[in-house]
Amino acid sequence: RKEVEQDPGPFNVPEGATVAFNCTYSNSASQSFFWYRQDCRKEPKLLMSVYSSGNEDGRFTAQLNRASQYISLLIRDSKLSDSATYLCVVNIEGFKTIFGAGTRLFVKA
Amino acid sequence: DTAVSQTPKYLVTQMGNDKSIKCEQNLGHDTMYWYKQDSKKFLKIMFSYNNKELIINETVPNRFSPKSPDKAHLNLHINSLELGDSAVYFCASSQVPLAEDTGELFFGEGSRLTVL
Repeated sequence: RKEVEQDPGPFNVPEGATVAFNCTYSNSASQSFFWYRQDCRKEPKLLMSVYSSGNEDGRFTAQLNRASQYISLLIRDSKLSDSATYLCVVNIEGFKTIFGAGTRLFVKA
Repeated sequence: DTAVSQTPKYLVTQMGNDKSIKCEQNLGHDTMYWYKQDSKKFLKIMFSYNNKELIINETVPNRFSPKSPDKAHLNLHINSLELGDSAVYFCASSQVPLAEDTGELFFGEGSRLTVL
C-alpha cells in the first residue's frame, strides 16, 4: 500500500465549478499535512498547510481527519488558472516528507 | 535571487556514463533533499541531509551518491547511468522540524536527465 494515496485524475471541470480532492495516508505517525500544486514542467509549490481544525485560504478549504487518516481539498469557483496537478503531502517524523502521486485538474472555459 | 538553484537544467547522456547535479540554497535552511520525479510524475524522496549529515536514504541504488560540503549545498553524483535513471531530479530545502507553520519545502526548478 502506498504511503499517500490520492484520487486518480484527471478532473475536468467548467469554470466556476466546485471540485474536491481526497487523500489518505497510511502512517499513523504522520505529523503534518500539506497540499502542494505543480504546474506542467515546473517545480511543486506549497498551496496550503492542513490544520487539524480545518482551514481556509480564499477559495481553497483543507480538512484533516486524523482518525480516518484522510485529507481533503475543496476548490470553489474554479478558475482557468487553477489547472494544475495537486499533490497531497505528509510529513513523518520531521525529516521525511512523502508526496502522493497527484491529481490533475483541468478547468475549462 | 533564486532561493534553490540546481544545475544543469537539462542533461542528456549515454548509458554507463557518470554525471553530477549540483544544488545550492540561499535560504539559510538546515535540511536539503533530493527527489526523483519519473515519467508517471510520481515524486519520490531519495535523500535528506540535515546540517551536512545524511538523515534519510530511501533504498536508492548505491550508484547514487549525495554529497553535502556544507549545509547550503547538496550535490548528487550518479555512476554507471541506466535507462531507468531518466527522470526529473528536484533539489529542495526546508526548516526543520517540519510542522504546519514551517512546512514549506522550497524546490529548485529541477534537472531533467535523459539517458540514451
